[in-house]
Amino acid sequence: GAGVSQSPSNKVTEKGKDVELRCDPISGHTALYWYRQSLGQGLEFLIYFQGNSAPDKSGLPSDRFSAERTGGSVSTLTIQRTQQEDSAVYLCASSLEIAGGTNGELFFGEGSRLTVL
Amino acid sequence: RKEVEQDPGPFNVPEGATVAFNCTYSNSASQSFFWYRQDCRKEPKLLMSVYSSGNEDGRFTAQLNRASQYISLLIRDSKLSDSATYLCVASTGGGNKLTFGTGTQLKVEL
Repeated sequence: GAGVSQSPSNKVTEKGKDVELRCDPISGHTALYWYRQSLGQGLEFLIYFQGNSAPDKSGLPSDRFSAERTGGSVSTLTIQRTQQEDSAVYLCASSLEIAGGTNGELFFGEGSRLTVL
Repeated sequence: RKEVEQDPGPFNVPEGATVAFNCTYSNSASQSFFWYRQDCRKEPKLLMSVYSSGNEDGRFTAQLNRASQYISLLIRDSKLSDSATYLCVASTGGGNKLTFGTGTQLKVEL
């Protein structure tokens, strides 16, 4: 089935390089989320999109992190000048409704595993 | 203090046992609550929503106590396939942001 698709699935990069992670949400899902999960840790909220706008970007760790969404569909998360502490699995999720509503079900992709050497 | 807190476990229980997980949330404005399940190296998936009146889905029962700001999940007659990490989730920010706890690991053994 056409679930949430993320690419790349694995990315190894050198400290200081920029990386771009892509998320293709389920068709028709208006809400899109980025989370990251470090080894043995819970999910850390990064940013939320409703359509192409980001009402809540409070979780972005620093100004090295940015995200955009175009056409109410594909989203990219960009990390500039990567640091070792950026190493984590970056998870994208989409939702048919605004999360927290009567549904609140997020459909997650399999994640992009980022390793910064 | 984390917005959503859970005992990380692991909870090691024999097959057939009943096990309960608790979770507390700090934001009294949180509106909606959920339990997600995450298998090892997999993405999280919604297990069930949590309603104020409590709700049951087969062997799983979820409860919400708004006064004490805690949520619980009860698993009866646990199966080997229930082994996973269970994530407690609360919505904040007007219902648009889901905050996840760090998860409670369950291991069901023969």
